[in-house]
Amino acid sequence: DSGVTQTPKHLITATGQRVTLRCSPRSGDLSVYWYQQSLDQGLQFLIQYYNGEERAKGNILERFSAQQFPDLHSELNLSSLELGDSALYFCASSTNPTWADTQYFGPGTRLTVL
Amino acid sequence: AQKITQTQPGMFVQEKEAVTLDCTYDTSDPSYGLFWYKQPSSGEMIFLIYQGSYDQQNATEGRYSLNFQKARKSANLVISASQLGDSAMYFCAMREASGGLDSNYQLIWGAGTKLIIKP
Repeated sequence: DSGVTQTPKHLITATGQRVTLRCSPRSGDLSVYWYQQSLDQGLQFLIQYYNGEERAKGNILERFSAQQFPDLHSELNLSSLELGDSALYFCASSTNPTWADTQYFGPGTRLTVL
Repeated sequence: AQKITQTQPGMFVQEKEAVTLDCTYDTSDPSYGLFWYKQPSSGEMIFLIYQGSYDQQNATEGRYSLNFQKARKSANLVISASQLGDSAMYFCAMREASGGLDSNYQLIWGAGTKLIIKP
């Protein structure tokens, strides 16, 4: 158990809908990262927050948004969902975003868009 | 050019044998970290081991060790006495100091190696 929690574990929804994925980082970690992993693909970095502020953006679509709250939990909002958004979404956390810092991953949320 | 290369898309290994998963990297930055993660079929991403570019010794964590050959830019994962539960995808990843605050030292991922342990 990495100490990072994600809810829900599974999510099935229809095209055009909006969903919210939630992440709680490990105790003491200030940095939260969101990743998308499509079937048989590597991880695509979406966005990173550090202590409530957006720090870096990766390949995040405009239909997606995220935020990190004062209690450090984070939410990833996916809207106008398309079939291609079906993927495993990971949240990871780390203490300080340096080159030597290890990211610990949550169990992921498996999103299926029908 | 690929920054992280994992040349073995898949491997079959007999249970109890040692296995080496290859990872080569490309960077001109003297400061970098190398990470290995395991992803079983259940989907979670599990951190295994870390090696820093300035570390003099090869990293070890239980049955996992990292064969770090800096001059060859190689960071192979060695699993000793493999078990059926080691069957999974294994990803090598790197962070460079030159990634800097703007990119926030993003992890650069390899394509992964699918390891299957045969009983």
